[in-house]
Amino acid sequence: DQQVKQNSPSLSVQEGRISILNCDYTNSMFDYFLWYKKYPAEGPTFLISISSIKDKNEDGRFTVFLNKSAKHLSLHIVPSQPGDSAVYFCAALTAASGYALNFGKGTSLLVTP
Amino acid sequence: NAGVTQTPKFQVLKTGQSMTLQCAQDMNHNSMYWYRQDPGMGLRLIYYSASEGTTDKGEVPNGYNVSRLNKREFSLRLESAAPSQTSVYFCASSERGWAGNTEQFFGPGTRLTVL
Repeated sequence: DQQVKQNSPSLSVQEGRISILNCDYTNSMFDYFLWYKKYPAEGPTFLISISSIKDKNEDGRFTVFLNKSAKHLSLHIVPSQPGDSAVYFCAALTAASGYALNFGKGTSLLVTP
Repeated sequence: NAGVTQTPKFQVLKTGQSMTLQCAQDMNHNSMYWYRQDPGMGLRLIYYSASEGTTDKGEVPNGYNVSRLNKREFSLRLESAAPSQTSVYFCASSERGWAGNTEQFFGPGTRLTVL
């Protein structure tokens, strides 16, 4: 049973515009939410995270928003750059699970010049 | 500082063969993890080791065994490979012990094909 869901398999955005990647979850016990970026033939790399007690975290061009009542989070990338083209995974964890990550299926972002 | 390394990068097995995937980290992390990624899927946890000397099952442990050899190394063994185990396998590690540090660092992956 998928506890973290990314319902958009792909997204295409023009360079300079905003990219918004969405993620929904079902487990209200999640303590942290993370976004990972993955290029082909490489392992995922950490992008940004947010604690369940916060509603926003910002790091440069990347901002993650958390809406706990809706069990929804989103990643905003502003402005989008061609180098941002990758697969983005939403992930969540609980301390009780040994900090093991529950991943969504990923959204493939293509930023076109 | 190599981070997380995995060997081999690629492997082809026949059904019923066994093999061990190796993983090592040089970041002095306490926790290590094995995930698999299938096409169109997110990463799914196979096993994890919260600290040296402990291992626990994840979401999809059947057909696998693990060994936390020491703090640096965490291996994944397929005793009798099946075509359903064709996948890309990722090892990861993380510092643990305080809630503010939950980032996991991933290795480059091992692409395994079972014929």
